[in-house]
Amino acid sequence: AQSVTQPDIHITVSEGASLELRCNYSYGATPYLFWYVQSPGQGLQLLLKYFSGDTLVQGIKGFEAEFKRSQSSFNLRKPSVHWSDAAEYFCAVGANGQNFVFGPGTRLSVLP
Amino acid sequence: DADVTQTPRNRITKTGKRIMLECSQTKGHDRMYWYRQDPGLGLRLIYYSFDVKDINKGEISDGYSVSRQAQAKFSLSLESAIPNQTALYFCATSEAGGGNTIYFGEGSWLTVV
Repeated sequence: AQSVTQPDIHITVSEGASLELRCNYSYGATPYLFWYVQSPGQGLQLLLKYFSGDTLVQGIKGFEAEFKRSQSSFNLRKPSVHWSDAAEYFCAVGANGQNFVFGPGTRLSVLP
Repeated sequence: DADVTQTPRNRITKTGKRIMLECSQTKGHDRMYWYRQDPGLGLRLIYYSFDVKDINKGEISDGYSVSRQAQAKFSLSLESAIPNQTALYFCATSEAGGGNTIYFGEGSWLTVV
């Protein structure tokens, strides 16, 4: 069965600084990988997804993620964080015909 | 209007009461899901339905039941609510097949006192 870990429960960065949120997955084949963002009081919005092709995936709001098969990782990055990026971020893995499994989430705080 | 609509958005109920959370979607997707979110645990799947005649238990189905009234409607019931069912509940939809995006509703806060 697939599983997802997000090692960082809470990260604080200064506005303008770079960001990397870590995600590791466990799955026997090539997975479908997703990053979602949840702003306070809101549902989850898709930032980006990977299921084949180029291992560097571009998403919305200036985010990107890189799939590294050898490390079973799909880390999310942003070169310059904005105050509006403060939210909770969830990594998820899905497989064809199967359901999605979500990680526990990483809460991002942004200092002015 | 939202593609996935949940009602109610907030509800406080008493222990032992029956409560239903409703979900409707306008995306025309066959697959619908109910998730529960608790701090530090991420989202856990309660039930899912791949079409109107298909209902499946998820990771944490005990104490919950569902009904798929139509392609667009999927409701979640707590037959006898208990305090540890206090959580944020999300309905979601997706197309069939792997790699497809899940679309979420805005969530329903349920407090059981």
